[in-house]
Amino acid sequence: GAVVSQHPSWVICKSGTSVKIECRSLDFQATTMFWYRQFPKQSLMLMATSNEGSKATYEQGVEKDKFLINHASLTLSTLTVTSAHPEDSSFYICSAKLQGANTEAFFGQGTRLTVV
Amino acid sequence: GNSVTQMEGPVTLSEEAFLTINCTYTATGYPSLFWYVQYPGEGLQLLLKATKADDKGSNKGFEATYRKETTSFHLEKGSVQVSDSAVYFCALSSSNTGKLIFGQGTTLQVKP
Repeated sequence: GAVVSQHPSWVICKSGTSVKIECRSLDFQATTMFWYRQFPKQSLMLMATSNEGSKATYEQGVEKDKFLINHASLTLSTLTVTSAHPEDSSFYICSAKLQGANTEAFFGQGTRLTVV
Repeated sequence: GNSVTQMEGPVTLSEEAFLTINCTYTATGYPSLFWYVQYPGEGLQLLLKATKADDKGSNKGFEATYRKETTSFHLEKGSVQVSDSAVYFCALSSSNTGKLIFGQGTTLQVKP
């Protein structure tokens, strides 16, 4: 199957700093990528849909100025957590979808963010 | 709105036991249904899927049948292994956008 790679796998940062997470589709082009957040022992919550060459679509309750998403190419989307705070600590997962109807979405391995 | 409800875990079974993880959904139209598995510290992997009513998805001994009449997509496996220990997520996609709505996840622990 297609491969989606996230980097870094884990990161620790200080409160007030910004952190960038990369999501790459390694062997296919993804016009659409998705960013999810997973709290411990809970489900994945969709944060935003990232569209190549256009602005991301954020889900209700997600601060777009807090979680900046850039999808500059067909193989790369980035999520930047700005002015991070301890409550932003979480597991962030991206997915990328093959073009076409009813095609599968492939997930990255996730990024564990800890804000201290 | 669309939603997915899974049975609460954790589910603890002995090796070779029969597994059922219940999943029901609420959706408008005709969603596609998925089961994903998440091993510790890893991202999600698609386990199986079904795109229309009465379809049966199957993979690695796991099966699930899309039941429109009961709005269910229960996951089953006849004989679990220790290596099946993971968190299992039921999910639906109600459009062609690829946006997935997940259930809360069910942790499965299989003991030797």
